[in-house]
Amino acid sequence: DTGVSQNPRHKITKRGQNVTFRCDPISEHNRLYWYRQTLGQGPEFLTYFQNEAQLEKSRLLSDRFSAERPKGSFSTLEIQRTEQGDSAMYLCASSFNEQYFGPGTRLTVT
Amino acid sequence: AQKITQTQPGMFVQEKEAVTLDCTYDTSDQSYGLFWYKQPSSGEMIFLIYQGSYDEQNATEGRYSLNFQKARKSANLVISASQLGDSAMYFCAMREPRGGNQFYFGTGTSLTVIP
Repeated sequence: DTGVSQNPRHKITKRGQNVTFRCDPISEHNRLYWYRQTLGQGPEFLTYFQNEAQLEKSRLLSDRFSAERPKGSFSTLEIQRTEQGDSAMYLCASSFNEQYFGPGTRLTVT
Repeated sequence: AQKITQTQPGMFVQEKEAVTLDCTYDTSDQSYGLFWYKQPSSGEMIFLIYQGSYDEQNATEGRYSLNFQKARKSANLVISASQLGDSAMYFCAMREPRGGNQFYFGTGTSLTVIP
């Protein structure tokens, strides 16, 4: 296992379109996290899964955002009706104790 | 209130010197974890070091050590013998069991190592 992977690495979309990102965690990790990071800021928590259960969701996460982890392995993050303010780096991390991050998906909404 | 506070937006250090990056945290939990991550300009977040709240000794990992002062709620990162490759953003983070093991990150410190 080579670590956490995320696809795509970059996504450019027009405002109003839907986008979906995928995260494949380290296989033995049961916890999976999604973060958003904007320039000059630390990662901002979005949501957290333990196995397939979504246990925590940030109040910052509007109803346009949804995440799934259907079989407790990979996860998807979907953003509906994208807005320019959604432009950011979206990071996925998996953990047993410390978190290991994927390379991120950079979203640009034009 | 901020869960994690990093008061140094930018730091400079001479190559081969040691540098301390400050981090204070806020929690009412007895059990928690403290972490430091490095983010180079390439963007990936690299785990550096972990300190558990019940660990009595300061964590060390190679040139990294964590100066844990529980009563002061501080978890400073010490990098010894700085190298040019240490130039990056450094983030302090805390995991609280309450709230589902959520991680909280600080705003980061940008470290520049001067040759």
